[in-house]
Formats: sequence, C-alpha cells, structure tokens
Amino acid sequence: AQSVTQPDARVTVSEGASLQLRCKYSYFGTPYLFWYVQYPRQGLQLLLKYYPGDPVVQGVNGFEAEFSKSNSSFHLRKASVHWSDWAVYFCAVSIQGGSAKLIFGEGTKLTVSS
Amino acid sequence: EAAVTQSPRNKVAVTGGKVTLSCNQTNNHNNMYWYRQDTGHGLRLIHYSYGAGSTEKGDIPDGYKASRPSQENFSLILELATPSQTSVYFCASARGAETLYFGSGTRLTVL
Repeated sequence: AQSVTQPDARVTVSEGASLQLRCKYSYFGTPYLFWYVQYPRQGLQLLLKYYPGDPVVQGVNGFEAEFSKSNSSFHLRKASVHWSDWAVYFCAVSIQGGSAKLIFGEGTKLTVSS
Repeated sequence: EAAVTQSPRNKVAVTGGKVTLSCNQTNNHNNMYWYRQDTGHGLRLIHYSYGAGSTEKGDIPDGYKASRPSQENFSLILELATPSQTSVYFCASARGAETLYFGSGTRLTVL
C-alpha cells in the first residue's frame, strides 16, 4: 500500500544552520511527491513538488528536495534556516499519478533556536 | 489570489448531534477535498469531489457525508457526532492534478 513516513517527529536547528527533513515513501509506480508547510494556526501551503524528471527540485524560500528512487526518499533541505521557518512540514505522495489526491506523512515539527 | 474559506473556525458539539462544516472557494477549481488532522496521523482524506453534484469516498469516510451543491461550496456533514471525531478539519481545492490550496481549518470538539 502507498504510504509516507517522516521518521523525525521533531527537529531543532539553530538559526543559520543547515536543515534536512527526511521523508520515505512507499509507492508502486512513478511517484509524484510534495512538501507542504503549516505555519501556526494556518492551513498548509505548498513548498515544492516533484514530477518525474530532474531529481532535485527547487521550492520557495530557499528550500529544495531531492528524489531518490533507489532509497525511496524525498528529503527536504535548506542551506541556512531562518526563524520564520519555524513550522510543521509535511511530505506527501499523489496516489493517482499526479492527481491532487494525496497521502500525507505524519509531519515534522521544526523548531529554530537562536 | 486563491482563497479557501472554512466556517466555523471553532465548533463545540454534543455527542449524537449533527454537525455541518462548510467550505467555500473562489478559485473556480473543479476538485475539492476534506481532510482531518490528528497528532500522529498527519492529514487523512475523508471525502473529495470532482465537481458540483459529485462526491467520492476518501480513506476514512465512515461517519461522514459530503455535499457539493455548487462549484464553490463543499460541506462535510457529521450526522451523529462522536468524541472520536474531535479533530481539526481542513478543506482544500485544486484545479486538477495541481497544487492543493488549503483553508485555515475548523477545530471541532465533540463532548
């Protein structure tokens, strides 16, 4: 069955440090993958999306993610974290090949320390 | 800019009562979705719709009904609310296979 796992429920990084949030997926076929961010008391917003092609995709606010078929992973990265990145991050996979019907991971709560 | 509006923002209901959560989108998107968010589960799909008059079951439809009377409006209905349905509910819209646009959520407490 299709699934998404985010192994880290909470991550804390210092402002200015680099960031990697992990995402592993299980999907038969070609996955379409997404990272969404949820700021406090708000709905989710798209950070970036992967459609089959270049494995490294760029998103908003300096975020990028790399798709690895061999590792079944889609990790999110940022070179230098800002305090405004404090949020919950969700990885998701489309279960109808590119449709907006998604399976979400459990989310990773990012805390930025000064 | 895309806009998805949910009402109410907060709701307290009694067990066995009927609850209706409303969602309105001004994006002219065909597809609309209802998710619930619970700690440890992320977001789970309850119902979705491909257009006015259509509703489809998602992954966890039991105990919920949906209604799509128009392109703009998509409601989630709990005919007999139970405490296990206490959660945060999110509505979203999408043109097709594109980005989901989410509302700000409805926090439902069933006592």
